[in-house]
Amino acid sequence: GQQLNQSPQSMFIQEGEDVSMNCTSSSIFNTWLWYKQDPGEGPVLLIALYKAGELTSNGRLTAQFGITRKDSFLNISASIPSDVGIYFCAGRGGSQGNLIFGKGTKLSVKP
Amino acid sequence: GAGVSQSPRYKVAKRGQDVALRCDPISGHVSLFWYQQALGQGPEFLTYFQNEAQLDKSGLPSDRFFAERPEGSVSTLKIQRTQQEDSAVYLCASTLRDRNYGYTFGSGTRLTVV
Repeated sequence: GQQLNQSPQSMFIQEGEDVSMNCTSSSIFNTWLWYKQDPGEGPVLLIALYKAGELTSNGRLTAQFGITRKDSFLNISASIPSDVGIYFCAGRGGSQGNLIFGKGTKLSVKP
Repeated sequence: GAGVSQSPRYKVAKRGQDVALRCDPISGHVSLFWYQQALGQGPEFLTYFQNEAQLDKSGLPSDRFFAERPEGSVSTLKIQRTQQEDSAVYLCASTLRDRNYGYTFGSGTRLTVV
């Protein structure tokens, strides 16, 4: 099935560093969502974006809905060990309605 | 309930066996979704219910996959004559109204076909 291009695939960072990841699509989306998944658990919604150009924050997390509606970015500031996990972007088109997910960015933090 | 509950958490099936996976959505949630997540991949859409009506089943990979939600609450995903490529985590999600909102996912059922 269709999946979004998410990068990087994985990253190792020092605690306290800022993190950036992004997601691109060949299709236009009306909604972008960012999820975090811990081992053995389902994805948990972090941020939802509904409007092109929108910039939304949730604590140390900030996400943006790209102006072209084909991309989105997630930034994590001052990373901590509990940020470890896999982050997924997901997009939704207009009439389609279903979420299309990226392959994930695996984040590992060195204590 | 407080969250989306799925059972069993783990299922090992012999190739050719039929399996049934259960999802209890959040009470009052109208929309329910099933997703399949292969190892190292993001979830992929299987099917969508609004109340008891199955409005979209375009993601079901074959006619061996069948889902139902007869009373508009609990849903069951059934896989007949399981094959090794069916091994994956099956995630259920629900949302209060239509699908234009972020979903709440369950913890999933990890199916291993041997």
